[in-house]
Amino acid sequence: AQSVTQLDSHVSVSEGTPVLLRCNYSSSYSPSLFWYVQHPNKGLQLLLKYTSAATLVKGINGFEAEFKKSETSFHLTKPSAHMSDAAEYFCVAPGGYNQGGKLIFGQGTELSVKP
Amino acid sequence: GAVVSQHPSWVICKSGTSVKIECRSLDFQATTMFWYRQFPKQSLMLMATSNEGSKATYEQGVEKDKFLINHASLTLSTLTVTSAHPEDSSFYICSARGKQGLSSYEQYFGPGTRLTVT
Repeated sequence: AQSVTQLDSHVSVSEGTPVLLRCNYSSSYSPSLFWYVQHPNKGLQLLLKYTSAATLVKGINGFEAEFKKSETSFHLTKPSAHMSDAAEYFCVAPGGYNQGGKLIFGQGTELSVKP
Repeated sequence: GAVVSQHPSWVICKSGTSVKIECRSLDFQATTMFWYRQFPKQSLMLMATSNEGSKATYEQGVEKDKFLINHASLTLSTLTVTSAHPEDSSFYICSARGKQGLSSYEQYFGPGTRLTVT
């Protein structure tokens, strides 16, 4: 069965320093993978998605993620954090065939950005 | 493109009353809509999947008689919380998945509805 694990429940960085949010997936096939961001009391916004076209995926707001099949990882990075990046981040994968389009969510990583 | 709206954005109701939440896809036709519930500091929990014109499929442990879902058109799904109680207070989020032209797995999320039952 498909599963997604976010390795850190909380990450704290200083403004202007790099961001790394880690995600590992478990799948018997190359999946689609997504990163979504959620600001407090808001819905989810798609940051980027991997669909096997390219292993390095660039998203909005300077975020990018690299799909590494050998490590079953899809870590999210940003070179320089901004205060507005403080939010909850979810790594998400499709539930798989015959799952009716369901998504599997990681547990979420809360990103704090210190001035 | 691919915008999903929810209404209301927040609602307060008294215990025992029913509340209806609407989810609309504004610029695409949503063959499938999903309803999630989110508790503070937690991930999203899928409640049910609804396909236009058919009965919703509920996840294990979700009471279908309490959380009524209707997906009457390709742009509208509603969630009605019947006889609401304080433990139903939560953040409810819908999402929609479109027809061809959109990624087959990508879901577009609404802004959420904060329900508080007093």
